Amino acid sequence: KNEVEQSPQNLTAQEGEFITINCSYSVGISALHWLQQHPGGGIVSLFMLSSGKKKHGRLIATINIQEKHSSLHITASHPRDSAVYICAVQTGTASKLTFGTGTRLQVTL
Amino acid sequence: DTAVSQTPKYLVTQMGNDKSIKCEQNLGHDTMYWYKQDSKKFLKIMFSYNNKELIINETVPNRFSPKSPDKAHLNLHINSLELGDSAVYFCASSQGPGRPRSTEAFFGQGTRLTVV
Repeated sequence: KNEVEQSPQNLTAQEGEFITINCSYSVGISALHWLQQHPGGGIVSLFMLSSGKKKHGRLIATINIQEKHSSLHITASHPRDSAVYICAVQTGTASKLTFGTGTRLQVTL
Repeated sequence: DTAVSQTPKYLVTQMGNDKSIKCEQNLGHDTMYWYKQDSKKFLKIMFSYNNKELIINETVPNRFSPKSPDKAHLNLHINSLELGDSAVYFCASSQGPGRPRSTEAFFGQGTRLTVV
């Protein structure tokens, strides 16, 4: 069983919908990252958080350390949001990231 | 300017060959990483260097050898390539331990390695 589990694995939404991607982890962490991998393959860091909530544009990330759970929300989704969203947790002091299997999001018109 | 750049972007080679992938970052970061993404799109760390010193070495065959000539470069050499080495390899960098955003990672565009 992977230390980091994401759900759903695949998600299709219509433009404008509110989207939630979930991430659960089983180990103690010092930070959690949300990454976006574009269809072309490039990876971009969206958020790094260790508590509470962060917002950037239409993206919101929350984390509950006690429940070992994080969510990534996308408001007013758009086809350009179509990508794979990856949750990763940082454990220990050596900056090691352990990744979830990703959530493939497809937003249609 | 590209923050983290890898070359080549695509690499097709025969089994048994030796190949290298180069990575350079111009962000002034102290820590660099190599990740492997398999056919199922699962990312896994291979190595991490901080200021040219190896700090993470996951269970990777010793055919893979990272080399860091300076803290802006981390190259990956692979000897005696095997079919199972086919994957996308990502280089990344972060500020490093003790810095405010120490582990926020900036990724290269990836190198798709195909071993035939």
